[in-house]
Amino acid sequence: KNEVEQSPQNLTAQEGEFITINCSYSVGISALHWLQQHPGGGIVSLFMLSSGKKKHGRLIATINIQEKHSSLHITASHPRDSAVYICAVAGNQFYFGTGTSLTVIP
Amino acid sequence: ETGVTQTPRHLVMGMTNKKSLKCEQHLGHNAMYWYKQSAKKPLELMFVYNFKEQTENNSVPSRFSPECPNSSHLFLHLHTLQPEDSALYLCASSQDSMGRHGELFFGEGSRLTVL
Repeated sequence: KNEVEQSPQNLTAQEGEFITINCSYSVGISALHWLQQHPGGGIVSLFMLSSGKKKHGRLIATINIQEKHSSLHITASHPRDSAVYICAVAGNQFYFGTGTSLTVIP
Repeated sequence: ETGVTQTPRHLVMGMTNKKSLKCEQHLGHNAMYWYKQSAKKPLELMFVYNFKEQTENNSVPSRFSPECPNSSHLFLHLHTLQPEDSALYLCASSQDSMGRHGELFFGEGSRLTVL
């Protein structure tokens, strides 16, 4: 069983929709990261958080340490948001989810 | 530009070839990593270097040989690979190896195909 579970695995949305991606983890962590991977491979760090909530443009990340759960929200989704979103946690090492593949249709 | 540069971006090699992947980071970080990404699987940690010293080898076969000459450069030497080694190999760096003091920064990856 993977230490980090994401849902859904695949997500298709219409442009403008509000999107939520969920991440649950089973290990003790010092921080949780949300990463974005576009076709071609490169991975970009979107957020690093250890409590509460962070906002960057149309992206919002929340974490509930007691429930070991985090969500990534995208407001007013756009086709350029199409990518794989990966949840990673920093425990005694980095653990990664398998990613959520998001496609936003114009 | 993420601050982490990987070369080559694409590599095709036969099972008897010897090749190397290169990673360079310009972020002043102390920790560097090699990850393997196969389809539909989580990123798999291969090696961790902290202050040029290898701190983790995640049971990686000896046909993969890492080298870290300094905190800014990391190599992955490849020798007699198998077709199942075909994957995207990602280099990353962070301020320290436990991720407590900063984000992970990834390179664009090297897409390896073993024939």
